[in-house]
Amino acid sequence: EVQLVESGGGLVQPGGSLRLSCAASGFTVSSLYMSWVRQAPGKGLECVSVIYSGGSTYYADSVKGRFIISTDNSKNTAYLQMNSLRAEDTAVYYCARSKSARFEDRAFDIWGQGTKVTVSS
Amino acid sequence: DTQMTQSPSTVSADVGDTVTITCRASQNIDSWLAWYQQRLGSVPKLLIYKASTLESGVPSRFSGSGSGTEFTLTITSLQPDDFATYYCQQYYSYWAFGQGTKVEI
Repeated sequence: EVQLVESGGGLVQPGGSLRLSCAASGFTVSSLYMSWVRQAPGKGLECVSVIYSGGSTYYADSVKGRFIISTDNSKNTAYLQMNSLRAEDTAVYYCARSKSARFEDRAFDIWGQGTKVTVSS
Repeated sequence: DTQMTQSPSTVSADVGDTVTITCRASQNIDSWLAWYQQRLGSVPKLLIYKASTLESGVPSRFSGSGSGTEFTLTITSLQPDDFATYYCQQYYSYWAFGQGTKVEI
């Protein structure tokens, strides 16, 4: 079964760090686009980071320089290292994968259940 | 960056109605547009990609159209399960979502 399971969320103080994990099953993370999409309380979806093509990365301006996306092929897991966290980073963070590696299939067809991150003192 | 703007923000409808949601891109994105449904408290679900291609398992009452900068999602014969928030997403230039349209009773 194709599945994504996130973990690593929690409560962290402003300025702190957190690493989110996204364990994949049923496919290989290195073969597709792997993304992190967040949703602040009561707000819409924001694509914060994507990794693809053997290591190319995308970051939204709101997290550039603070977040780092990566994958570990041996564990078939994607990660989001979040540093210098701010109150506005408070959100549910979803991991999602693309339908395929082709340009026309870069929509996200499989999503994890999400992990909640709260940045507060 | 390519910005996505959806309208309306909220639409009120009844079971059996037809609903149309519009999504406009700030620049040409060809047909690289997806639509997602998010029910309250649930994970987003892909409905349509490449502007008009229905994702496997999605009911045929959902349809998408458009290219370039203007796109529409149409839901015919609205069902109780369809009351949700809908997001468009461009994936021509990286990825960006619209702000969402809530379909309510």
